[in-house]
Formats: sequence, C-alpha cells, structure tokens
Amino acid sequence: NAGVTQTPKFQVLKTGQSMTLQCAQDMNHEYMSWYRQDPGMGLRLIHYSVGAGITDQGEVPNGYNVSRSTTEDFPLRLLSAAPSQTSVYFCASSDRDRDSNQPQHFGDGTRLSIL
Amino acid sequence: AQTVTQSQPEMSVQEAETVTLSCTYDTSESNYYLFWYKQPPSRQMILVIRQEAYKQQNATENRFSVNFQKAAKSFSLKISDSQLGDTAMYFCAFMIAYSGAGSYQLTFGKGTKLSVIP
Repeated sequence: NAGVTQTPKFQVLKTGQSMTLQCAQDMNHEYMSWYRQDPGMGLRLIHYSVGAGITDQGEVPNGYNVSRSTTEDFPLRLLSAAPSQTSVYFCASSDRDRDSNQPQHFGDGTRLSIL
Repeated sequence: AQTVTQSQPEMSVQEAETVTLSCTYDTSESNYYLFWYKQPPSRQMILVIRQEAYKQQNATENRFSVNFQKAAKSFSLKISDSQLGDTAMYFCAFMIAYSGAGSYQLTFGKGTKLSVIP
C-alpha cells in the first residue's frame, strides 16, 4: 500500500517551460488536493477535486491547471512556468470519514525551482 | 473564510524540557477539527494530534497534548520531555466539519520552527 505518490521529487525548469506534477493514490479516496509551501507562508491550497471529473479552485489557483479523469490520479499542470512558482508542492488525499485517525494523507512533496 | 495564526516563527527548547507552541484561529463555524502537523527536514507532513471542536476534553498523544480553548479560539501544543527528533516545523491546521465540496480543505498557519538543543 503506497499511499500518495508524487513524481518527480525534484525539478528545475526555465521560465516559460511547461510541466506536469504527478500525483497518484491507491486508497480509493474521493477527495484530492494540491498545496504549495513557501517559506514563512505555510501550506496554501491550489486546487482540489471531490471526485473524478470534478475540480475546483483553492486559495492560489492562478498559473495552474488540474484535471481528474480517474479516482487515482490528480495531476497539476504548469502551462508557462514563472519564478514565482518556485515552491514545494504537496498532493493530499482524503476519504469521507474525517473521524478517521488520518484525515488527510500527504505525498512526500515535489521541490520545484523555476530559473 | 477561516484563518490560522501562529505567532512564534521560531522556538528552541532544551532536551528533556517542556515547550508550548501557540495557535489561534478565527472562524464562524461551530463544528470543526483542529490539527498539529510536524514537518521534519525530510519534508514529510506527519499528523501529531487532532482535536474535535465538540469535545471538551483536550487530546493527548504520548508526550504531545493540546490546550483547546474554544471560546478564546486557541489551540496550543505542549511537548513534554522534548527529544532531538522533535526538531521540526510545526503547523497548526483547521478543517470544517460539515459535508460539502470544500469541507476537506485544510487551512494552515505559517508554522513554528522548533529546535531541540542537546
């Protein structure tokens, strides 16, 4: 049982390049989300999905695109990378039972640098 | 919208001593969850402890305990017998309890960097 898997773990991009951060979970969770973590800012929600085919914006969605074609996968796309998107990105998933011991499962994060 | 405030960017504690990390929050909701997450240098997000707002009893997990003051909207974390492995960033987080599209979102504070000194 792998939990939440994020790839890659590290990436360096040039300004204007595009890329996709991958996130997959094997727990059949309906809810998935993407956060970014910047120094001194905590984690902020970018986009989230409550099931296949359903996505919505979080607090900082600009410059990012998501889709949810399957329950397992929730990729995050940067269409034209900007230095302001340099950050650590976390994917998380959750099932319906928020009284469970682990309300959200986090991936190990992707450190992204935009030059 | 909910906000979470951690007013201590950095703290340090001697090994084996006790330290308390502060967290306040603002919400108009009456039913919600509060969490403390630990993020060591490995970058993993590790759930330390959780508190349901409807429970008056403060949560405890081994050396970790909380002081939950609902009226004051305060949720502090106490770490007893601090160990070197407790060195990490600690984040306070809030989640509403009703069912709905946005109800699984976590709102985080900016974090407190805790250093345990040998």
